[in-house]
Amino acid sequence: AQKITQTQPGMFVQEKEAVTLDCTYDTSDQSYGLFWYKQPSSGEMIFLIYQGSYDEQNATEGRYSLNFQKARKSANLVISASQLGDSAMYFCAMRGENQGGKLIFGQGTELSVKP
Amino acid sequence: DAGVIQSPRHEVTEMGQEVTLRCKPISGHNSLFWYRQTMMRGLELLIYFNNNVPIDDSGMPEDRFSAKMPNASFSTLKIQPSEPRDSAVYFCASRRTVMGEKLFFGSGTQLSVL
Repeated sequence: AQKITQTQPGMFVQEKEAVTLDCTYDTSDQSYGLFWYKQPSSGEMIFLIYQGSYDEQNATEGRYSLNFQKARKSANLVISASQLGDSAMYFCAMRGENQGGKLIFGQGTELSVKP
Repeated sequence: DAGVIQSPRHEVTEMGQEVTLRCKPISGHNSLFWYRQTMMRGLELLIYFNNNVPIDDSGMPEDRFSAKMPNASFSTLKIQPSEPRDSAVYFCASRRTVMGEKLFFGSGTQLSVL
């Protein structure tokens, strides 16, 4: 069975500072993908970043980077230079190669950026 | 490019009524997913389809829920009869069936069952 765990229900960060959102996962699949999504108060789900289990380098997309530590089964999201618009719910998700294609999500972390 | 289109955006109904949620996936996407989001349970996968065929419906709460995908451009999620505990945001999402391909979400349907 697959499992995604986000242990931080809520986080605060000062504007312009960096913040790390934690995500750990459990899977028996050798090949899998890890995703992060953002959900602002408007409700839509916005894709942020993807990391494949065999990717040798950590994924980066603009101000977002994924700190992938395979041995520890963690895939933390790092947001650099936080902006007020980063205030939202953030979800970590995983898809395993033997799971028929389904994507399962963690419980989410609510990030609040303070001016 | 149009995204995933869901209708209605909001639905308010009374307990016992039938509710039908609709979804049009992105053209060319061959996988479609229905999720339910609540404060208590987070984002739950209800059912997903590959090439219009239901692959895993283990997340469907009970027999009151059913989903169909009659063709590649349309899917429905039906609740009959509806109950107050079904109140949630229901998301439809689609993607191409390629490892690493991201999931594109619709705007969701906010369902309130009174």
